[in-house]
Amino acid sequence: AQKITQTQPGMFVQEKEAVTLDCTYDTSDPSYGLFWYKQPSSGEMIFLIYQGSYDQQNATEGRYSLNFQKARKSANLVISASQLGDSAMYFCAMREGPSGGYQKVTFGTGTKLQVIP
Amino acid sequence: EPEVTQTPSHQVTQMGQEVILRCVPISNHLYFYWYRQILGQKVEFLVSFYNNEISEKSEIFDDQFSVERPDGSNFTLKIRSTKLEDSAMYFCASSADQPQHFGDGTRLSIL
Repeated sequence: AQKITQTQPGMFVQEKEAVTLDCTYDTSDPSYGLFWYKQPSSGEMIFLIYQGSYDQQNATEGRYSLNFQKARKSANLVISASQLGDSAMYFCAMREGPSGGYQKVTFGTGTKLQVIP
Repeated sequence: EPEVTQTPSHQVTQMGQEVILRCVPISNHLYFYWYRQILGQKVEFLVSFYNNEISEKSEIFDDQFSVERPDGSNFTLKIRSTKLEDSAMYFCASSADQPQHFGDGTRLSIL
């Protein structure tokens, strides 16, 4: 079974609108972390946001928020007020096991977001 | 903010040749990783390194691959005899706590 599932290969959003990118995960470990990364066409991997399995509040970082629904095992990324520069691949990733130094992650297949002017 | 740096940004190599990809992790980080992303596909874990030895490796990381920390700052990935299917983007990462910090990647093209 896939540990991270991103069911939307591609998404379009109008500039200034909000968009939700879906991510579901599968783990039996009670301690885990969920990450979202952005990969522009230039190829680098940019960290966006992190949610720990024990965090009570949904994570937010500027225009990014993570809609964490633990019972559903989902960790959707919400981008508010989309900008043209948000056009990129977005990857959901998971670390299994407690937080600490070791941070090996498993990635989903990604969602390609295109922002339309 | 400290960064993970990778060199070169693009490497073109003939099939069968050895290639070494270089990374300088963030200085106070203790865990180091290599990941691979074949064009258009997801990022896959290759290997992790801690305390001067491999701590975990994937099934992709076969005998053709090796990693080394030759000095106090560099972390290298060597592919002994490259194949066409080794063409990919290779990311180095390091961590002390979450999240991992990724380098900008080395695009490896095998001809």
